[in-house]
Amino acid sequence: KQEVTQIPAALSVPEGENLVLNCSFTDSAIYNLQWFRQDPGKGLTSLLLIQSSQREQTSGRLNASLDKSSGRSTLYIAASQPGDSATYLCAVACGEYGNKLVFGAGTILRVKS
Amino acid sequence: DVKVTQSSRYLVKRTGEKVFLECVQDMDHENMFWYRQDPGLGLRLIYFSYDVKMKEKGDIPEGYSVSREKKERFSLILESASTNQTSMYLCASGRGNEQFFGPGTRLTVL
Repeated sequence: KQEVTQIPAALSVPEGENLVLNCSFTDSAIYNLQWFRQDPGKGLTSLLLIQSSQREQTSGRLNASLDKSSGRSTLYIAASQPGDSATYLCAVACGEYGNKLVFGAGTILRVKS
Repeated sequence: DVKVTQSSRYLVKRTGEKVFLECVQDMDHENMFWYRQDPGLGLRLIYFSYDVKMKEKGDIPEGYSVSREKKERFSLILESASTNQTSMYLCASGRGNEQFFGPGTRLTVL
């Protein structure tokens, strides 16, 4: 059974710092890995999706990497801003057709101004 | 832009009531999903649907049922709400292996 773990559970950093969020998964048979952002009381917003054949994806100040063989992904946030404060969720797509997402519990990020 | 809407943002119900949560998507997606989210547990899949009138159990289907009579609409039903079903409920739709999420419904069962 696929399990996804995110470390750390919470992180507090001063504005301007570069930071790394970690995600690990137990079964390397995945179709893709996705990073989401969730603001308090809101739904999920997709940030980056890495297909299983890819190693990384970039969007603005965000960079996500994927090492499928070791079951790890990192989300790198450059020059963090208070507006980046949110919960970040990692999910892997698995199952017979790859349409089943298994989520980690999330990392709560607070960027202090 | 993909739009997934959920009928209520906040809902308060009493134990034993029948509860309907509605989800509508406007992108003609085949797949629709219902999750619940609890602190420290992340999102867990309740039910999903590949097509109209098709449904599959997820990881935690007990106490829930679903209905998909039209492609754009996927309903989650709590036949007899219990306090342990107090949670945030998130609907998603998608095609292939990408999913788009609605804003969520925070359900409180008293």
